[in-house]
Amino acid sequence: QVQLVESGGGVVQPGRSLRLSCAASGFTFSGYGMHWVRQAPGKGLHWVAIISFDGSNKYYADSVKGRFTISRDNSENTLYLQMSSLRAEDTAVYYCAKDVGNFRQWPVFGMDVWGQGTTVTVSS
Amino acid sequence: QSALTQPPSASGSPGQSVTISCTGTSSDVGGYNYVSWYQQHPGKAPKLMIYEVSKRPSGVPDRFSGSKSGNTASLTVSGLQADDEADYYCSSYAVNNNLVFGGGTKLTVL
Repeated sequence: QVQLVESGGGVVQPGRSLRLSCAASGFTFSGYGMHWVRQAPGKGLHWVAIISFDGSNKYYADSVKGRFTISRDNSENTLYLQMSSLRAEDTAVYYCAKDVGNFRQWPVFGMDVWGQGTTVTVSS
Repeated sequence: QSALTQPPSASGSPGQSVTISCTGTSSDVGGYNYVSWYQQHPGKAPKLMIYEVSKRPSGVPDRFSGSKSGNTASLTVSGLQADDEADYYCSSYAVNNNLVFGGGTKLTVL
C-alpha cells in the first residue's frame, strides 16, 4: 500500500544539526512533488518545504530558509530534510507528505499521503 | 506569510450541516485555486479532504464539500457524524511558491 515512513527525529541541542528521512513505498516516488510539514506541540500545521518530482526546484518557508535543506534520492525512494542551526522553536512533529498533483507535473500544494511523523525536540 | 484565519471552533448535532471558513488575502486564497482542507484526529496524521478548492480525493465521502468566494474558502460538512469530530485545517498556495495553513478549527459533534 501507499506509505511514507519518517525517521531520524530525536533530542538535539540548540545550534546543532539533524537529518530526517522519509521512505516512500507503494507509488512511483520519482513522479511526485514532496513536502515537509511540522506541528509544534499543541499547535497547528506549519509548512516547511517542497521539492519537485525531479529535485530541480525547492522552496522553503521563511522560518527555515537558509537553515534547512530539502532533498530527495529517487533511486532510493527517499526524501530528506537536513536541519541545521536548530532552535527551540523548531521543536515539533515533522511529517513528510506527497503532493496530490498529477504525475510529473508542477505540484498543486495539496498533500494526499502523509507519514506518521517523527518528533524533533530542540533543548539543552 | 501570515496564517489563514479560521474560527477556533465549530459545532453541530448529528445529521446537521456545518460550514468552516478560511480567510486569506489576494496573495493566497483569493489569487489561486489551490485551497486544501485537512482533517486531523488527536494523535494522528492529517488526512486530505478537499484539494483545489472543491475536489475530493477518492474515499472521501461526498458529505464533505469545498468552495471559495473572493479571499474566503469554506468547507461544508453535511450529515454530521460522530467521527467527523476532529480538527480541520485549510491551506492555500501563496505567492512565491509558499504554502500557508490556517490556525485550525475544532469541530465538535454535539
